[in-house]
Amino acid sequence: AQSVTQLGSHVSVSEGALVLLRCNYSSSVPPYLFWYVQYPNQGLQLLLKYTSAATLVKGINGFEAEFKKSETSFHLTKPSAHMSDAAEYFCAVSDSGGYNKLIFGAGTRLAVHP
Amino acid sequence: GEEVAQTPKHLVRGEGQKAKLYCAPIKGHSYVFWYQQVLKNEFKFLISFQNENVFDETGMPKERFSAKCLPNSPCSLEIQATKLEDSAVYFCASSQSMAAQETQYFGPGTRLLVL
Repeated sequence: AQSVTQLGSHVSVSEGALVLLRCNYSSSVPPYLFWYVQYPNQGLQLLLKYTSAATLVKGINGFEAEFKKSETSFHLTKPSAHMSDAAEYFCAVSDSGGYNKLIFGAGTRLAVHP
Repeated sequence: GEEVAQTPKHLVRGEGQKAKLYCAPIKGHSYVFWYQQVLKNEFKFLISFQNENVFDETGMPKERFSAKCLPNSPCSLEIQATKLEDSAVYFCASSQSMAAQETQYFGPGTRLLVL
């Protein structure tokens, strides 16, 4: 069965600092991986996704993620945090059983302080 | 429309009452998904549809939960005889295809509070 683990339920960074949110996956087949962001009281917005075309994926708002098969990881990074990046971030893997439901990690709350 | 629409935004029910939630997918999207987000942020898949046909219902608590997607109507998720543990945010998502790499677009959610 596929699963996603997000290390660190809370991450706090200073404005302008590097953001690193960790995601590790478990999958017996090549995975399709997604990062979504959830602002307070809102739905999920797609940041980026890995579909095997390129291991370094660039997304919206300056975020990017690198797929590393050897480490079964898909960590999300942003070189310089902005106050508006404060939100909950979810890593997800698409179910390989043919039904395409998303299997989510537990989420990481990112706080950005001045 | 260009966004997934969900109504109502908030819903309060007494334990044992019925709750009905609605979702209008993005125009042209044939696939609809329902997810439940409980207090600790855990997302649980409930059910998916291909047009009006159930595609995957492995996540549905079938005793009290039901869902439909009828032609020319919003999709609906109904909970009969709500329980306290049904308190959650229910998200609807839609996609153009069922390909595993296809993006699912999420609505703003319906926050259900069962008292």
